[in-house]
Amino acid sequence: GAGVSQSPRYKVAKRGQDVALRCDPISGHVSLFWYQQALGQGPEFLTYFQNEAQLDKSGLPSDRFFAERPEGSVSTLKIQRTQQEDSAVYLCASSLGRRKGNGELFFGEGSRLTVL
Amino acid sequence: DAKTTQPPSMDCAEGRAANLPCNHSTISGNEYVYWYRQIHSQGPQYIIHGLKNNETNEMASLIITEDRKSSTLILPHATLRDTAVYYCIVRLGNTGNQFYFGTGTSLTVIP
Repeated sequence: GAGVSQSPRYKVAKRGQDVALRCDPISGHVSLFWYQQALGQGPEFLTYFQNEAQLDKSGLPSDRFFAERPEGSVSTLKIQRTQQEDSAVYLCASSLGRRKGNGELFFGEGSRLTVL
Repeated sequence: DAKTTQPPSMDCAEGRAANLPCNHSTISGNEYVYWYRQIHSQGPQYIIHGLKNNETNEMASLIITEDRKSSTLILPHATLRDTAVYYCIVRLGNTGNQFYFGTGTSLTVIP
């Protein structure tokens, strides 16, 4: 597709369940980012990939959060043993890569996670 | 990356110019100013960015003060579809790997 695609758009999980959120970046985009956006707040950085390498995961809130991008394209954000405070919109963004283009990030529409 | 300060909310009459301010007093010489906006239930959308000079594109104009400690995003003729949260961000051009969004300015365009 032409843009960043995320699935599912909406996910309801019971506390303690594991969830997996998928991101399909724009074809050819080297860099991929995950952000978490709580209600009424701006997006907060979680992690960053350049191709398949996870170069920064400083924003992941706990070891229950895990992200991967094994072939340098599609990425999955996994949250284990979900808690209510994990309820948020999870945004994926991609860009051409370091020192390419103007640094613009292209965002998907996000996956809204609600943990009951 | 430098922090930014924006007013939490603003109103603008439809058809008038919307001027959204941003303070970034700790910006360093090689950091760019980026503006994004987020319409309800959508992902953030790039608007414009600049380093020192004022910039204009089809969406907006960006005015950066000479000391670069503040900037203003101008939407020349606001429409109802411009109602959104606007984020001012500073980062190291296209080499930085993080955008710090802050809480932004919620702009409401009034008919």
